[in-house]
Amino acid sequence: QVYLVQSGAEVKKPGASVKVSCKASGYTFTGHDINWVRQATGQGLEWMGWMNPNSGNTGYAQKFQGRVTMAGNTSISTAYMELSNLRSEDTAIYYCARGVRGRGYWFDPWGQGTLVIVSS
Amino acid sequence: SYELTQSPSVSVSPGQTARITCSGDALPKKYAHWYQQKSGQAPVLVIYEDDKRPSGVPERFSGSSSGTTATLTISGAQVEDEADYYCYSTDYSGNHWVFGGGTKLTVL
Repeated sequence: QVYLVQSGAEVKKPGASVKVSCKASGYTFTGHDINWVRQATGQGLEWMGWMNPNSGNTGYAQKFQGRVTMAGNTSISTAYMELSNLRSEDTAIYYCARGVRGRGYWFDPWGQGTLVIVSS
Repeated sequence: SYELTQSPSVSVSPGQTARITCSGDALPKKYAHWYQQKSGQAPVLVIYEDDKRPSGVPERFSGSSSGTTATLTISGAQVEDEADYYCYSTDYSGNHWVFGGGTKLTVL
């Protein structure tokens, strides 16, 4: 069974950074990308970017470029997403999700989500 | 930037067929995937590559795509199918992945 288990909730002040972890189990960590998606309260899903644990390559949505860093530690099958210069609009649940490539590309499964609150 | 358009809400009675649509210019050439998100939970994949159903997803869930519109169909919707449903796809370049705005399905 494939699982992604994320770190716990965080409260940060504006201007600070947050680092969320996502520990994978049940599959070969280096065989799939990890994607990050966020969801503000009452809002829809927003794709942030991907990280390939094998190569270390990343791809970020234009909106987050310059503020987000995605990386992985293959020795402990864990991916990380760090978002810097936080503002109140970054308050959201952040999800990691495994990328699955067939003829298309989709996310399955997802982590349970990590709530990040940005407040002074 | 590329957008996928979904209607905000769909409402059906139990046992009826619910159809949720997703429109995007690149859909004739790119696959659509669908996620179900129940209140307070993480999204779950229900359809991938337009019309494929992952193991464990009930057979009443099906998908199709024609032209610029992808459709998620729930045949004989159940109360437990009440959730937000999101389509997901990419633009022509394959470099920009986007979600539709989501459709709230009410079954009552």
